[in-house]
Amino acid sequence: NAGVTQTPKFQVLKTGQSMTLQCAQDMNHNSMYWYRQDPGMGLRLIYYSASEGTTDKGEVPNGYNVSRLNKREFSLRLESAAPSQTSVYFCASSVGRNRAYEQYFGPGTRLTVT
Amino acid sequence: DAKTTQPNSMESNEEEPVHLPCNHSTISGTDYIHWYRQLPSQGPEYVIHGLTSNVNNRMASLAIAEDRKSSTLILHRATLRDAAVYYCILPNTGNQFYFGTGTSLTVIP
Repeated sequence: NAGVTQTPKFQVLKTGQSMTLQCAQDMNHNSMYWYRQDPGMGLRLIYYSASEGTTDKGEVPNGYNVSRLNKREFSLRLESAAPSQTSVYFCASSVGRNRAYEQYFGPGTRLTVT
Repeated sequence: DAKTTQPNSMESNEEEPVHLPCNHSTISGTDYIHWYRQLPSQGPEYVIHGLTSNVNNRMASLAIAEDRKSSTLILHRATLRDAAVYYCILPNTGNQFYFGTGTSLTVIP
């Protein structure tokens, strides 16, 4: 049982390049989330998917797109990377949207945009 | 959405209890109180959560004030592995988490 896995672990992009961050969970969870964490800050929610087939914007969605490919996988795409998107990206999942459910986090992807 | 307030940093001696406070004066009756911690270079890790009653698990205890306007995470015997940033979070109706900057706990050997 791997929990939440993320690929890649590290990535360096040039301004304007695109990339997709992958996330998968093997806990049969319905809800999945993408966060970013800038140095010295707490995590901020980018997008979330309450259930398979649905996605919604979080606190900081600009410059990102997401796809809930199936119940297991939730990807985050940067179409045209900018230096302001240099951050650590965390994926998380939970049983559902009920506030009684805890979230389980992946190990993160460290992205640098030059 | 209810907000939380935590001290920026705290110190504890190893093997002593640690009480990490959190204020949430605008909490509503249906808000759960969650605690997570983040070790250096890792993703956040679930610690404990509760609604009204005090809660215990293998990692910690959560003491919730009677008026629910504050709570305290209790680590019964701090170890060096407990050095981390601790976040007190009140998820909103969509179970969206809003992290503040948390409390950075230093454990002194």
